[in-house]
Amino acid sequence: QLVLTQSPSASASLGASVKLTCTLSSGHSSYAIAWHQQQPEKGPRYLMKVNSDGNHTKGDGIPDRFSGSNSGAERYLTISSLQSEDEADYYCQTWGTGIQVFGGGTRLTVL
Amino acid sequence: EVQLLESGGGLVQPGGSLRLSCAASGFTFSNHAMSWVRQAPGKGLEWVSSISSSGGTTYYADSVKGRFTISRDNSKNTLFLQMNSLRAEDTAIYFCAKDLAEGAVSSTCFDYWGQGTLVTVSS
Repeated sequence: QLVLTQSPSASASLGASVKLTCTLSSGHSSYAIAWHQQQPEKGPRYLMKVNSDGNHTKGDGIPDRFSGSNSGAERYLTISSLQSEDEADYYCQTWGTGIQVFGGGTRLTVL
Repeated sequence: EVQLLESGGGLVQPGGSLRLSCAASGFTFSNHAMSWVRQAPGKGLEWVSSISSSGGTTYYADSVKGRFTISRDNSKNTLFLQMNSLRAEDTAIYFCAKDLAEGAVSSTCFDYWGQGTLVTVSS
């Protein structure tokens, strides 16, 4: 079964970096994923797609502070030089034929 | 500029029906699969349904299969979600989302989202 696992919460200080993790279920380590940001009271915003080879395709206007990477079944979103507006929920998404799956989301707090 | 604008949400009684629309602009609508995703109050994102670029192939989450119908009108750049036999657990903000890829039969990565429309199922 295709499942994505995310930690419920993360925190980091203003100006620091943070690395969020999304883990693919067993047998699905070759899947690409996408990262989406959802600020309070807003719709989600596409950040990037991260392939199994670590290549990532960013959405329009996404700053260089956001980057993606991977290791095995884990997909990462790294945000550097944290700003207050980065405080948001971050969801990973993956897909198969006829199915879409979201992780439970990570709430990022900027201290 | 890509824009997705949902409408049609509101308050409906259990067992009732509602039809959501998503007006798309800023891209070639007929080239992209489209999807509906919902978010219950205080919860995460849940995929609801997807439709291929031509409209010929549709997919549904088990939680809505047999009750919801996704469709599209490529001549009017509009996506629809017909929701029947609504339940309290269908209460959520419903977002439409555009597929990154062109021509995919099955939806893949979402690269644009609407702002959502709220559906409340309550007596």
